[in-house]
Amino acid sequence: RKEVEQDPGPFNVPEGATVAFNCTYSNSASQSFFWYRQDCRKEPKLLMSVYSSGNEDGRFTAQLNRASQYISLLIRDSKLSDSATYLCVVNPRISSASKIIFGSGTRLSIRP
Amino acid sequence: EPEVTQTPSHQVTQMGQEVILRCVPISNHLYFYWYRQILGQKVEFLVSFYNNEISEKSEIFDDQFSVERPDGSNFTLKIRSTKLEDSAMYFCASRPGTGGSPLHFGNGTRLTVT
Repeated sequence: RKEVEQDPGPFNVPEGATVAFNCTYSNSASQSFFWYRQDCRKEPKLLMSVYSSGNEDGRFTAQLNRASQYISLLIRDSKLSDSATYLCVVNPRISSASKIIFGSGTRLSIRP
Repeated sequence: EPEVTQTPSHQVTQMGQEVILRCVPISNHLYFYWYRQILGQKVEFLVSFYNNEISEKSEIFDDQFSVERPDGSNFTLKIRSTKLEDSAMYFCASRPGTGGSPLHFGNGTRLTVT
């Protein structure tokens, strides 16, 4: 099983649609979780951290299910500027400089 | 807002040559990382660094690779004898030592080995 697994997509949705991405991780002891977005040939940029109780930032909602080892990202009212690759990121051990693991990413394309 | 800076933005080198990629992490961060991304592929962990020593490294990070923090600000990745397959984007990242803080990335160095 991959350490962090995502559906590669691409997701191609119309502007204004709601889209959801999922991610699973293999290490049940993992401690912190993030969603990053990456534009073509650019560095990953933090979109949001994912908290146990779920959290929202504007049109973006992240959820964590520790029992199922599953993270999700929901984008509401999608904009053309949301077109990017979304990376699920897992930190197994927050108290050290251990490997932080990236999923392969899910490509999202918003059409007018 | 403080940021991670990387130089150069693009490096072209011939196979077998040594390259040094440079990074200046955010000044109060304690944990430093190098990742690479081959075009069209995923972001891959290379190495992490804390307290002037390597914390963890991947199987990619073989004897051809080394990292150094030569002074209080720079963090470098050296590839001793480059191969064609080392062509990739190399990203430096840092994070504070507090809890589950996220990684902050530099803009990357595009390495092309010919």
